[in-house]
Amino acid sequence: ELKVEQNPLFLSMQEGKNYTIYCNYSTTSDRLYWYRQDPGKSLESLFVLLSNGAVKQEGRLMASLDTKARLSTLHITAAVHDLSATYFCAVDVRGGGFDSGGGADGLTFGKGTHLIIQP
Amino acid sequence: DTEVTQTPKHLVMGMTNKKSLKCEQHMGHRAMYWYKQKAKKPPELMFVYSYEKLSINESVPSRFSPECPNSSLLNLHLHALQPEDSALYLCASSRKVALAGGSQFFGPGTRLTVL
Repeated sequence: ELKVEQNPLFLSMQEGKNYTIYCNYSTTSDRLYWYRQDPGKSLESLFVLLSNGAVKQEGRLMASLDTKARLSTLHITAAVHDLSATYFCAVDVRGGGFDSGGGADGLTFGKGTHLIIQP
Repeated sequence: DTEVTQTPKHLVMGMTNKKSLKCEQHMGHRAMYWYKQKAKKPPELMFVYSYEKLSINESVPSRFSPECPNSSLLNLHLHALQPEDSALYLCASSRKVALAGGSQFFGPGTRLTVL
């Protein structure tokens, strides 16, 4: 069974600071996703990481993937209040983890990191 | 058109009702998904349609029944639900399964309350 673990689950930080969210997963996968969710809203895709060593950056967020360590990080640089949200990492499970044989993919999510950035 | 739409946005139903949730995308995606999200929890995969072939999470009760009329539409039929089924139901689609690694795009969700 695939397990995806994020830490920390809750993070309160001040504007201007840097911090990193970690995502570990338990089985081989070469596709790792980061999503953002605002309260009461749906999920917004942030990054898709497709290979070992992949690094992607968008604004103050940077994500990386180490498939050998089964670890992804989401780094926040000089945080601003607008980045307050819940961040999820997710991993593909070939066949959705279901016995379908259809090659369909489903995502298994970490528990999410609830990030509060204080002005 | 780069979005996934879902209707209704909110639904309140009794335990004896039958209702349906609808999802639509016009991005040419051939995989569509239903997820259930309880408050302060991550989304949990319920069903996958890949090229109109269904994959089922066996832990999902039979009172949830998916339907894929065509590659752009996905329905979730609800019957005899329980109060614990109250949640945000998210539909998602992706370009291609298995090898492409494209991101899944999520709809705005239907917030379901079962009385």
